[in-house]
Amino acid sequence: DTGVSQDPRHKITKRGQNVTFRCDPISEHNRLYWYRQTLGQGPEFLTYFQNEAQLEKSRLLSDRFSAERPKGSFSTLEIQRTEQGDSAMYLCASSWGLNTGELFFGEGSRLTVL
Amino acid sequence: AQSVTQLDSHVSVSEGTPVLLRCNYSSSYSPSLFWYVQHPNKGLQLLLKYTSAATLVKGINGFEAEFKKSETSFHLTKPSAHMSDAAEYFCVVTRGRGSYIPTFGRGTSLIVHP
Repeated sequence: DTGVSQDPRHKITKRGQNVTFRCDPISEHNRLYWYRQTLGQGPEFLTYFQNEAQLEKSRLLSDRFSAERPKGSFSTLEIQRTEQGDSAMYLCASSWGLNTGELFFGEGSRLTVL
Repeated sequence: AQSVTQLDSHVSVSEGTPVLLRCNYSSSYSPSLFWYVQHPNKGLQLLLKYTSAATLVKGINGFEAEFKKSETSFHLTKPSAHMSDAAEYFCVVTRGRGSYIPTFGRGTSLIVHP
């Protein structure tokens, strides 16, 4: 399967713990996006990378959130000191070139904070 | 700033009848517009896209959408609904070349009755 993959698919954690999600994009795609989706809402933009450079971050991305894409391939999204409000589906998507908006999504990582 | 408004949170149709999912956009520049579909427990999938070529855009599974600049609309239609069309649909806008942040609407849940 050469699509976008995310790991883990589900994560249950206690408030205050740190969690990390991984995204492997389609190999030839240079852009990688993270979105967050809560029940009944559309995906909300968090951050995006072009190759290894993080070019934009949403105001939704508090200091507890950090994302990396060290070699321009896979990316990680870490949430420190999780809060119950962080419970959501975290979506990763990738795209290529100037095809803005034409995203290929993974199936998401669902986070539940108890 | 750019945004999309999906006018209906839920649309209910009978199998074999037409589908209309409404979307209005706001953009300071010539937008690119997209519709995505999300089936339960599946990743988001691109249905169709408008990028300043033909105003009537055809997508997968018999869906199409018409870009109307005068009405700032990009409604999604299908002549005859199928049970498998039941899903969440998202209208998405990007500003176009130079803006790489797709902005999602809140989504419309399509319910198809037998």
